[in-house]
Amino acid sequence: SQTIHQWPATLVQPVGSPLSLECTVEGTSNPNLYWYRQAAGRGLQLLFYSVGIGQISSEVPQNLSASRPQDRQFILSSKKLLLSDSGFYLCAWSMLSGNTEAFFGQGTRLTVV
Amino acid sequence: QKEVEQNSGPLSVPEGAIASLNCTYSDRGSQSFFWYRQYSGKSPELIMSIYSNGDKEDGRFTAQLNKASQYVSLLIRDSQPSDSATYLCAAYSNSGYALNFGKGTSLLVTP
Repeated sequence: SQTIHQWPATLVQPVGSPLSLECTVEGTSNPNLYWYRQAAGRGLQLLFYSVGIGQISSEVPQNLSASRPQDRQFILSSKKLLLSDSGFYLCAWSMLSGNTEAFFGQGTRLTVV
Repeated sequence: QKEVEQNSGPLSVPEGAIASLNCTYSDRGSQSFFWYRQYSGKSPELIMSIYSNGDKEDGRFTAQLNKASQYVSLLIRDSQPSDSATYLCAAYSNSGYALNFGKGTSLLVTP
């Protein structure tokens, strides 16, 4: 069966520090991968999605970036964190064909101080 | 970004009643729709998917889709206190790869 791993579960970072969040999927090949952010009391905001290695689509301009160095690995990065980057970051995967169910990792709660 | 709209609630229903959750979407090209449940501090979990006009039933849950009205709903029969959570509606963009979510409806089932 397919599983998705996301780490760390919680993270406290100072303003201006870099960020790297990693997500990996097991049990499937060529998944679509997603990064979402959920600010306190807000909905899920789609940040990036990827349909293949090196293919990244950005939905919202910001100081975050994403990379997909391997088929089942998706990384969210920032060079300098802002206070407004605090939130619950979620990685998800779906089948390559598109228009199918997406499944989420456990999430990373990021607090920028 | 294509919009998915939900009433934020909270929606309060007594135990055993039917909870009705609604969602509208703006992208007429959307082909597939989903309902997720999210407990506080946890990640969303998939409840239902629906692709065709009409009703789809799974246990106590029924999803309804009306593409002409760009409307999706979720009915929860015999609501239980454990159903208390935020329910998120999601729809793919016309491309089929960008999955967009509404802000969620908070449901409270009172004993």
